[in-house]
Amino acid sequence: AQSVTQPDIHITVSEGASLELRCNYSYGATPYLFWYVQSPGQGLQLLLKYFSGDTLVQGIKGFEAEFKRSQSSFNLRKPSVHWSDAAEYFCAVGGLISSGSARQLTFGSGTQLTVLP
Amino acid sequence: DAGITQSPRHKVTETGTPVTLRCHQTENHRYMYWYRQDPGHGLRLIHYSYGVKDTDKGEVSDGYSVSRSKTEDFLLTLESATSSQTSVYFCAISERDMGTGELFFGEGSRLTVL
Repeated sequence: AQSVTQPDIHITVSEGASLELRCNYSYGATPYLFWYVQSPGQGLQLLLKYFSGDTLVQGIKGFEAEFKRSQSSFNLRKPSVHWSDAAEYFCAVGGLISSGSARQLTFGSGTQLTVLP
Repeated sequence: DAGITQSPRHKVTETGTPVTLRCHQTENHRYMYWYRQDPGHGLRLIHYSYGVKDTDKGEVSDGYSVSRSKTEDFLLTLESATSSQTSVYFCAISERDMGTGELFFGEGSRLTVL
């Protein structure tokens, strides 16, 4: 079974600073990887995804993530954070379930981002 | 925005009472999901549906049942609510199965069981 670890529960950065949110996954084959963002009182929204190909993927709102197979990581980055980026961020991995060909999505526990003015 | 409506958005109930949460979509997506969100646990899948009358269990299905009689509606029922089911419940939909396709989420239903 796959699993996802987001080691940082809470991160605080100043507006304009760079950001990196960590995500480590456990899965035996090439995973499907996602980052979602949740603003307060809202549902989740997809930021970006990785299925195959170029290991650096671009997403919405200026975010990017890099897949590193050797480190089992899929860290999310942004060069300059805006106050509106304050939210909770979830990494997720889609792996094949044992009983068939469908994939199951497993979420990490999330990283809360605070942005200081 | 994806057309997903959850109802009710807020509910307070007492232990032992039945509760039904409704998810309605206007996107005609095949897959529908119910997740619960609790601090420190992220989102955990309760049940999902891959078509009308086709449903399957997720990782935290005990105490919950679902039904999908129409493409657009997916109901989550707590037969006898317990305090451990106090949570925020999210419905999601996707065109492809959850591991490969983008999920679109509703705004959540906050349930408090006293």
